[in-house]
Amino acid sequence: SQQGEEDPQALSIQEGENATMNCSYKTSINNLQWYRQNSGRGLVHLILIRSNEREKHSGRLRVTLDTSKKSSSLLITASRAADTASYFCATDASFYGNNRLAFGKGNQVVVIP
Amino acid sequence: DTEVTQTPKHLVMGMTNKKSLKCEQHMGHRAMYWYKQKAKKPPELMFVYSYEKLSINESVPSRFSPECPNSSLLNLHLHALQPEDSALYLCASSQVDLGIRGNQPQHFGDGTRLSIL
Repeated sequence: SQQGEEDPQALSIQEGENATMNCSYKTSINNLQWYRQNSGRGLVHLILIRSNEREKHSGRLRVTLDTSKKSSSLLITASRAADTASYFCATDASFYGNNRLAFGKGNQVVVIP
Repeated sequence: DTEVTQTPKHLVMGMTNKKSLKCEQHMGHRAMYWYKQKAKKPPELMFVYSYEKLSINESVPSRFSPECPNSSLLNLHLHALQPEDSALYLCASSQVDLGIRGNQPQHFGDGTRLSIL
C-alpha cells in the first residue's frame, strides 16, 4: 500500500512563478524523499528530509516536513520550463527499513515559457 | 546521462516470446530494484535485491523472473506476458538501507518501454 499521497492536482504556471505541491502519509517514517520524472525518463532524486528535520533547501527547492500532521510540501521557486515534470514524494514503507519506498500519486507540473 | 543503464530502451514482443531486460550500475550500490510504471501513475515495486539476494517479491506473476548475476547487473526475464504487462519498466539502485537511517535515495535508469502485442 502507498503511504505518500500528494494532493491530486495538476499545476500549470508561468515561468518565473513558484510552484507548491503537497504530500501526506499515514505512518511513522525515518525520512521522506521527493523525486522528479520528466516525460519518458526515469525518476531523479531531488531531496531527502529526515523525520527530525522541519525544513530543507536545495537550490530553488524548499521542502518542509510536519510529522505531527504527517505531511510535506515541495516548493519550487522561480520556475523554469525545464521544471515541467511529474513530482513524486516517497516514504519508508516500513519504519525499520527494508529498502521499500512507498510512492505517492504524483503531481504534474507544467511551466509555460 | 543517468548512472543506471537499462537496455533495451524499447521492446515489442508477442505473448509467446521470451525476452530479457537488462540493468547495470557501477556506483557500488548493493540494493537493486525493478519497478513497473503505467502512464500517469507512480512506480510500482516488483522486486528488490539486497547483496545479490532477492529480498522482496511483491507477489509478481511468475512470468516475470528476476536475476542478479553480480553486484552491478540486474536482469528481468520475461515469458508469456499479457497485454496488461505493457508498461515502462524501471530499474533502480541504492545503498542498502540499514534500518536506522531510513531508505536511501534511489538512482533510476530511464527504463524500458515494453509493448505486448
